[in-house]
Amino acid sequence: EAQVTQNPRYLITVTGKKLTVTCSQNMNHEYMSWYRQDPGLGLRQIYYSMNVEVTDKGDVPEGYKVSRKEKRNFPLILESPSPNQTSLYFCASSSTNPGTEAFFGQGTRLTVV
Amino acid sequence: KQEVTQIPAALSVPEGENLVLNCSFTDSAIYNLQWFRQDPGKGLTSLLLIQSSQREQTSGRLNASLDKSSGRSTLYIAASQPGDSATYLCAVSPLAILSGGGNKLTFGTGTQLKVEL
Repeated sequence: EAQVTQNPRYLITVTGKKLTVTCSQNMNHEYMSWYRQDPGLGLRQIYYSMNVEVTDKGDVPEGYKVSRKEKRNFPLILESPSPNQTSLYFCASSSTNPGTEAFFGQGTRLTVV
Repeated sequence: KQEVTQIPAALSVPEGENLVLNCSFTDSAIYNLQWFRQDPGKGLTSLLLIQSSQREQTSGRLNASLDKSSGRSTLYIAASQPGDSATYLCAVSPLAILSGGGNKLTFGTGTQLKVEL
């Protein structure tokens, strides 16, 4: 079954404690990205990757890092989380052909206290 | 900068009604428009994808139309059921290659639909 898998689904952490949210896809997609969803703001892109070792900033990259060492994995790293990073995070993947269907993970609800 | 607006923000209807959700976008230079469904605690499920060259797409009781020149799309749900209760999101994919490789999606804030028995 084609899917995008995120872990963990729920996470509560304290300010400043580094964390990683993993994302894995089994569709051999080149393009992967991270979004955050906040009330009244919709989903906004954090970072994206066109292929292995190729990453770039999205609209709201501050406070986040990513890596793409393997095609299937695209972890999101928060080196020093702050309360304003409390949000619902989604990982997505698609082909690099522009405008193709995007597949999303089930989301990670992060709370930073 | 692309902006996507969805109206209404929330909608409550009795079971069986036909309904229309609206989506508008400011920049008509798009590759496609996707409608998604979001259920609480779950991810986004793609419902329909309309390429910029198409006028509409249909899947079961769902029909999505696209008028690229006016920057509008509608999602028509026929004979609504309680199981249709969810948040519906529309998203556009930009034409510009530099904007995230053409696969970056700009989302509206969604319409929260409740279908009551």
